[in-house]
Amino acid sequence: KNEVEQSPQNLTAQEGEFITINCSYSVGISALHWLQQHPGGGIVSLFMLSSGKKKHGRLIATINIQEKHSSLHITASHPRDSAVYICAVSSTGNQFYFGTGTSLTVIP
Amino acid sequence: DSGVTQTPKHLITATGQRVTLRCSPRSGDLSVYWYQQSLDQGLQFLIHYYNGEERAKGNILERFSAQQFPDLHSELNLSSLELGDSALYFCASSFGLAGIRTDTQYFGPGTRLTVL
Repeated sequence: KNEVEQSPQNLTAQEGEFITINCSYSVGISALHWLQQHPGGGIVSLFMLSSGKKKHGRLIATINIQEKHSSLHITASHPRDSAVYICAVSSTGNQFYFGTGTSLTVIP
Repeated sequence: DSGVTQTPKHLITATGQRVTLRCSPRSGDLSVYWYQQSLDQGLQFLIHYYNGEERAKGNILERFSAQQFPDLHSELNLSSLELGDSALYFCASSFGLAGIRTDTQYFGPGTRLTVL
């Protein structure tokens, strides 16, 4: 049983398209994290949120605590957005659970 | 550059051996987290230290141990290595007042361990 489920697993988009990645979780959480992992392997934290919505540039993250669901949106996608996007949750039990990631490829 | 450093970058060793991975957190960060990323299991949380004390344990095997030293660097010790231990090992750090629950984490570049 996976505490965090992500969809889709793989996503290919044309440059400029609006992209949505979804994340559902089954545990009580203190916070939800969206991470980006580039082909070289490095991981960057994009967002940490516990309610509502956050925006950084072309990236928007939302969370619905009642439905235990979060979405990551990328507006006006660009080839440099190509990466693996990982949803993770900090549980109220002091654990950290990861989704399996969404591999995004943006084609020029 | 996240400010978190990990050494070595790559490590190749044989089954049954013991290795030590090192992590230096960002300046001022008191928390260090260790994660394992393997092809079949994805990313998994191993352990969290805050200011020298263990705060949370995840899926860490008994053959693995960690510690955080007074200068706040941390080491992950892996012993009796098996083929399945081959993975990328990341550490991350955060300021850490809230611990794993609500702090933004900054990830190191990882150590790639290959067990032959």
